[in-house]
Amino acid sequence: KQEVTQIPAALSVPEGENLVLNCSFTDSAIYNLQWFRQDPGKGLTSLLLIQSSQREQTSGRLNASLDKSSGRSTLYIAASQPGDSATYLCAVSGGQGGSEKLVFGKGTKLTVNP
Amino acid sequence: DGGITQSPKYLFRKEGQNVTLSCEQNLNHDAMYWYRQDPGQGLRLIYYSQIVNDFQKGDIAEGYSVSREKKESFPLTVTSAQKNPTAFYLCASATSFYNEQFFGPGTRLTVL
Repeated sequence: KQEVTQIPAALSVPEGENLVLNCSFTDSAIYNLQWFRQDPGKGLTSLLLIQSSQREQTSGRLNASLDKSSGRSTLYIAASQPGDSATYLCAVSGGQGGSEKLVFGKGTKLTVNP
Repeated sequence: DGGITQSPKYLFRKEGQNVTLSCEQNLNHDAMYWYRQDPGQGLRLIYYSQIVNDFQKGDIAEGYSVSREKKESFPLTVTSAQKNPTAFYLCASATSFYNEQFFGPGTRLTVL
């Protein structure tokens, strides 16, 4: 059974700092990995999707990497801003048996202090 | 504007009542999903549908029911059999399975 872990559960940084959020998964036979952002009381916003054949994806100040063999992904946020404060979730699809369902981690709550 | 809408934003249910949560998308997506989110837990899949008139149970389907009569609509009914329905419910859609999922704004259900 695929399990997704995100460490740390919470992170507080000063504005302007570069930071890395971590995501690990137990079954490396994934189809893709998706990073989301969730603001309090809101739905999820898709940030980046990495297909299993890709090593990284970039969007603005965000860069996500994927290492399937080690079951890890990182989300790098450059020059953090208070507006980046939110909970960041990663999710994977696939795994042995070809599950089409997304399995989510519990998220990392990021606070960027002005 | 293209997107996913959920209604209502807040819903209150009395014990023993069935309630229906609406999810509509105008993205022309084939796949649609319902998730439940509880504090301190990851999202858990309730039901999903790959195509009209077809749907599959997710990990926590007991006490819930769905229908998919139209491509753009995937309503979720929370029945009285669901013993702990208080949660935040999220609907999502994708062009097809294994593709990027897009989420609606959510419905917060509270049992009185």
